[in-house]
Amino acid sequence: TQLLEQSPQFLSIQEGENLTVYCNSSSVFSSLQWYRQEPGEGPVLLVTVVTGGEVKKLKRLTFQFGDARKDSSLHITAAQPGDTGLYLCAGAMDSNYQLIWGAGTKLIIKP
Amino acid sequence: DSGVTQTPKHLITATGQRVTLRCSPRSGDLSVYWYQQSLDQGLQFLIQYYNGEERAKGNILERFSAQQFPDLHSELNLSSLELGDSALYFCASSVAPDDQPQHFGDGTRLSIL
Repeated sequence: TQLLEQSPQFLSIQEGENLTVYCNSSSVFSSLQWYRQEPGEGPVLLVTVVTGGEVKKLKRLTFQFGDARKDSSLHITAAQPGDTGLYLCAGAMDSNYQLIWGAGTKLIIKP
Repeated sequence: DSGVTQTPKHLITATGQRVTLRCSPRSGDLSVYWYQQSLDQGLQFLIQYYNGEERAKGNILERFSAQQFPDLHSELNLSSLELGDSALYFCASSVAPDDQPQHFGDGTRLSIL
């Protein structure tokens, strides 16, 4: 059973479109991180959200942590080919030293 | 550059063999994590070390083992290799055992023929 469900699993859109990726769980997390992984490389941290309801912006990327700290979303405005990659969310629990990883959303932005 | 170094970058071997993957964490980081990533899939946590001691264990097979040395580098040993072990193996490091974020190396791509 996946503790962190990411949706969609795969998304292919045209350059300039907007998109939202979701990360959902029935568990409460003390914090949640978003990573982007490009082919042939390791994941790179984009943002960490800690407070329920928190919204963080990173240029065209907007991250939101749910009020109950069970879910998160990543919204990309005016997507560009450089946004192509595998987007992974990972949640941290107070009771666990491990990060709980979602399976990822594979995003392709076509020029 | 994350500061985490993994060697080798690619490894090709046969079933039944044994290999060792090496990881040097980012300077100052005491905790090391190992992950397995199969084709087009997410990360499967294998094992975590902190300052030389095993801290947490995930979905690591009995044929796999790891250790962290006094200089904080870590090795992941994979034995009796099977075709299904073909994957990307990532090492990540962080300052403290439960301190996020994790900094990832570029991985070792293991191919079993």
